[in-house]
Amino acid sequence: KNEVEQSPQNLTAQEGEFITINCSYSVGISALHWLQQHPGGGIVSLFMLSSGKKKHGRLIATINIQEKHSSLHITASHPRDSAVYICAAPGGSQGNLIFGKGTKLSVKP
Amino acid sequence: GAGVSQSPSNKVTEKGKDVELRCDPISGHTALYWYRQSLGQGLEFLIYFQGNSAPDKSGLPSDRFSAERTGGSVSTLTIQRTQQEDSAVYLCASSGGTVTEAFFGQGTRLTVV
Repeated sequence: KNEVEQSPQNLTAQEGEFITINCSYSVGISALHWLQQHPGGGIVSLFMLSSGKKKHGRLIATINIQEKHSSLHITASHPRDSAVYICAAPGGSQGNLIFGKGTKLSVKP
Repeated sequence: GAGVSQSPSNKVTEKGKDVELRCDPISGHTALYWYRQSLGQGLEFLIYFQGNSAPDKSGLPSDRFSAERTGGSVSTLTIQRTQQEDSAVYLCASSGGTVTEAFFGQGTRLTVV
C-alpha cells in the first residue's frame, strides 16, 4: 500500500514569499495529483504530473519519480493562495488514490 | 461537459434523512470515483465505477452507503438514514483511462444536523 506524506502540515507566509510544499510517497507511481481545497471546502485539481515540471501561473509542480518525491511551489504568494494543498498518489487498486493529509497554507498581507 | 460537475455544492440535512449526491463526469469518461473527506481527516476512497459496474466498492463505510451509475455517465451516491459522522466533503472524479489521469469535481459539502 502506498503511503503519502506531506510537509509541512501548516505553513504561514507573508505576501510575496516563495512557498514550497513537499510530498513523498512509498511506492513507485506513474503520476501524482496536486489538489487545492478552499476554506469553503471546494476542491480544485491543480496538477497531474508524471515527470519533470509543470507550471500554471504562479504555481509550479515538480516530480522526481526515482526519489518518490514531488514539490509544489508558489511564487509571489498572495492571501488568496490561502488554502489546503493536498497531494495524491495511486494506492494500488484501480480506483484507489491515497491522499496526503494536506498542508494548510495561510498567506498574510 | 467541460469538467466534472457535482451537485449540490452544499447540502444540510437532518439526522435520519436520506440524501443523494450527484456526479456528472466528463463526457466519454468510463471510470468514475467517489471519495470523501471527513472533518479533520484526509480524503479517503469510497467506490470506483468502470462503466456502470463497480469493481471496487471496498471504501463504502457501511451498508447505509450505496452508489449507482447509469448509462455509463451520471452517478448518484446515496446515504440512507444519515448520521452526524457522515458530515464530510464528498468528491467525485472521472477518467478516460486510469485513476492517475482522473479529473476532480469541486465536491459536495454535506452537513448532518
